[in-house]
Formats: sequence, C-alpha cells, structure tokens
Amino acid sequence: NAGVTQTPKFQVLKTGQSMTLQCAQDMNHNSMYWYRQDPGMGLRLIYYSASEGTTDKGEVPNGYNVSRLNKREFSLRLESAAPSQTSVYFCASSDYTGTDTQYFGPGTRLTVL
Amino acid sequence: QKEVEQNSGPLSVPEGAIASLNCTYSDRGSQSFFWYRQYSGKSPELIMSIYSNGDKEDGRFTAQLNKASQYVSLLIRDSQPSDSATYLCAVNPGYSSASKIIFGSGTRLSIRP
Repeated sequence: NAGVTQTPKFQVLKTGQSMTLQCAQDMNHNSMYWYRQDPGMGLRLIYYSASEGTTDKGEVPNGYNVSRLNKREFSLRLESAAPSQTSVYFCASSDYTGTDTQYFGPGTRLTVL
Repeated sequence: QKEVEQNSGPLSVPEGAIASLNCTYSDRGSQSFFWYRQYSGKSPELIMSIYSNGDKEDGRFTAQLNKASQYVSLLIRDSQPSDSATYLCAVNPGYSSASKIIFGSGTRLSIRP
C-alpha cells in the first residue's frame, strides 16, 4: 500500500497562474482533507470531504476549490495563485472507526512569485 | 484564544532524560486527542492517541489527559537524538462527525547529546 500520495512534490507559480494539486489514497478511507502549513502556524484546514460526494470549507478556504473525484482522489485547485498561498500543502485521509487517525501524504511545496 | 495551544519551544533536553510536552485546548466537549511527530521537511505521523482521562503508555511514550483541566501532555522517556522533531498536538472538538481535527502550532524538541 502506498498510503496517501500527492503530486507534484514541488511547484513554482507566477501570480495569477492556476494549478491543481492531486491527492490519492489507497486505504479505502471515507474522509479526506487538505491542509496548509506555514512557519509557526501549524496545520490549517483548507477543505475537507467527509465522504465521497461531499465537501466542506475548513478554516482557510478562500482562494481554493476542491473536487472529490471518487473515494480515492481529492484534488485542490488554485484558480489564481497569490504570493500569500506560498506554503506546504498536505493531503490527509482518515476513516472514522472511533480513532480519527489521520494519515498524511508527503506534501507539496508551493512557491508563488 | 487559540483552540489548541502549545509552547513553540525550542525545548532542549539532554539525551537519556525525560522530555515533557504540553498542550491545552479550549473546547470542553473535545473527544479525541492526538500527538503527531513531524521531522523537518516531512509530513506529520501519529505517535499517540488518547480518549479518556489518565495515562496511556506505548514504549517510551506516555500520553496524559486531564479533561477537567483541558490539558494533554506527552512524555518521552530516555530521549534519543532521533526524537528531535516538532510535536503537534491535535484535538477533535467532537462537534462534527467528519472528524475535523484541530492542530496546535507545534513544539520543537531538540535532544542534545
């Protein structure tokens, strides 16, 4: 099992460009999440999907959109990138079996110039 | 007031000593509590989860939960240089079935030889 995979690992964008971050999990988990991590800020939830077909906003959703393509895949789209979106993005998945454990992907380092 | 608070550190502990990491949370209804370890440039990985008051031990790690004081801690016995990392406290407030966990900003731990 690969667990949670993310692509790309690194990306540099110019202000105004768009891109989609991809995430896939092979653990048959129902819930998937997108976080961003900035120095000294911890992990902040952007969007989450409790189950296939549903998505909800997290703490910092502005400037982002998501798609839960199927049970395995959850993508994050930046329509018009801004320097404030420079961050490390983590995808995670979990299955609410009473443990809530989240499993994280390796992350995407995004720089917006 | 942040929902999950941690001292950012760095916390410097000599090798072989006990490292004590602390976390407070604001929502009294919180149900689940987690400690994640994050090495520099890597993704968070779960070390411990705890759900009821008291201590939970796993090898060199002990998680302690006091719901009355809204306090959770992590003790690392016989600290090793490989324990040097940032430790993230995470709490499930329990008001959402979607397992929307809130992370603290992390405590940086450094084990000195």
